[in-house]
Amino acid sequence: SQTIHQWPATLVQPVGSPLSLECTVEGTSNPNLYWYRQAAGRGLQLLFYSVGIGQISSEVPQNLSASRPQDRQFILSSKKLLLSDSGFYLCAWSPRTGKNIQYFGAGTRLSVL
Amino acid sequence: QQQVKQSPQSLIVQKGGISIINCAYENTAFDYFPWYQQFPGKGPALLIAIRPDVSEKKEGRFTISFNKSAKQFSLHIMDSQPGDSATYFCAASITQTGGSQGNLIFGKGTKLSVKP
Repeated sequence: SQTIHQWPATLVQPVGSPLSLECTVEGTSNPNLYWYRQAAGRGLQLLFYSVGIGQISSEVPQNLSASRPQDRQFILSSKKLLLSDSGFYLCAWSPRTGKNIQYFGAGTRLSVL
Repeated sequence: QQQVKQSPQSLIVQKGGISIINCAYENTAFDYFPWYQQFPGKGPALLIAIRPDVSEKKEGRFTISFNKSAKQFSLHIMDSQPGDSATYFCAASITQTGGSQGNLIFGKGTKLSVKP
């Protein structure tokens, strides 16, 4: 069966520090991968998605970047965090074809202080 | 035109009552409409989904009603239970040429509280 791992679960970082959140998927190959941000009490904001290694599409211009160094690995990064980067970050995957079901990780709660 | 508008933003229902959440869309190319359920501190999970060739889909206490002409769809939770308390998101997407999946466009979510 397929599983998605996202870590860390919580993270407290000072303003101006770098960020690296990692997401890996097991049990499937060639998935679509997604990074979302969910601010408190708000909806899901799609940040990046990827249909293959090295292929990243950005939905919202911002202080963040994403990379996909391996087929089932998706990384969200920042060189210098801002206060506004605080939020709940979710990684998700979906099969390339067939049912459009996105499977979400457990999320990372990021607090920038 | 890519938006999915969801209402209400929050909903309080007594145990045993019916919870109704509504969504509306503009893009008639959307052909897949899922609902996701998210418990606090967790990632969303698919609850139920429908395609526009049917007007209703039921799974247990959860029913999607779909009105293609009005471009609206809704989630009904019958006999609502305290364990149903969560945030619910509607979404829509377009199946691309060749069967690949377009991105899901999510509504802003509805926080449901079911009171015992």
